[in-house]
Amino acid sequence: EIVLAQSPGILSLSPGERATLSCRASQTVDSRYLAWYQQRPGQAPRLLIFGASSRTTGVADRFTGSGSGTDFTLTISRLEPEDFAVYYCHHYGSSPQTFGQGTKVEVK
Amino acid sequence: QITLKESGPTLVKPTQILTLTCSFSGFSLSTAGEGVGWIRQPPGKGLEWLGIIYWDDDKRYSPSLSRRLSITKDTSINQVVLTLTNVDPVDTATYFCAHRGSSGSYAFDIWGQGTMVTVSS
Repeated sequence: EIVLAQSPGILSLSPGERATLSCRASQTVDSRYLAWYQQRPGQAPRLLIFGASSRTTGVADRFTGSGSGTDFTLTISRLEPEDFAVYYCHHYGSSPQTFGQGTKVEVK
Repeated sequence: QITLKESGPTLVKPTQILTLTCSFSGFSLSTAGEGVGWIRQPPGKGLEWLGIIYWDDDKRYSPSLSRRLSITKDTSINQVVLTLTNVDPVDTATYFCAHRGSSGSYAFDIWGQGTMVTVSS
C-alpha cells in the first residue's frame, strides 16, 4: 500500500500570499495517477488536479500541480478568500488507492 | 451532467449490517471505462478510500475492510450498493460515492453530497 504524507498539516497564510503544499509517497507513484482535491467545510471534496499537473475544467489557473516519483506539490499562487480549505492528495494508479491526511490552509 | 447521491440509514447498531445506495445519473456503469468509488470521512478527520466497482464488474477493496465490505451494481437502475457487515463505532463517518473519470482523468471527478452514518447502540 502506498502511503501519502502531506505537509505541513496546517498552513497559516494571508489572502494574496503563495501556498505550497507537499505530498510525499512511500514509493514511486506514476504521475499519471496523482490527484489533488479541495474540501471546504460541510462540502464534498472537489477535484482540482489530476495526472499530477492537469487542471480540471473550471479550476482557476492560480492552482498548479507539479512533481514526479515520490514528491508532488500543489501551489496556489495568490490565495483568494475561497481557497482557505483542506487539500488532499490521492493516488489512484493501483489498488488500494490512498489519500494523504490533508493540509489545512487557514487564514493567518 | 453527472450527479450522484448517497442514501441509507443515519443510525446503525454495532454488529449490524450497513447498506448504502449510490444513485447516479449522467453516465452508464455498463459503458467501458466507467467506475464508481466509495470514500468515507470520520468526523473531523481525513478521507479513507473504501473501494471501487468498474463497468466490467471488477471490484477492488481496501485491505483493512475487505472481509466486511461488498460493492455491487445494478446498471438497469443506475445504482451502486455498499454493504458493510459487523459495523463498529469506528465506522461512524460521512460516506461518499464518487464517479471515476473515464476520459483521461480516472480520478474521482464528481462526488455525491455524502451521507452521515452513526454507529451506536
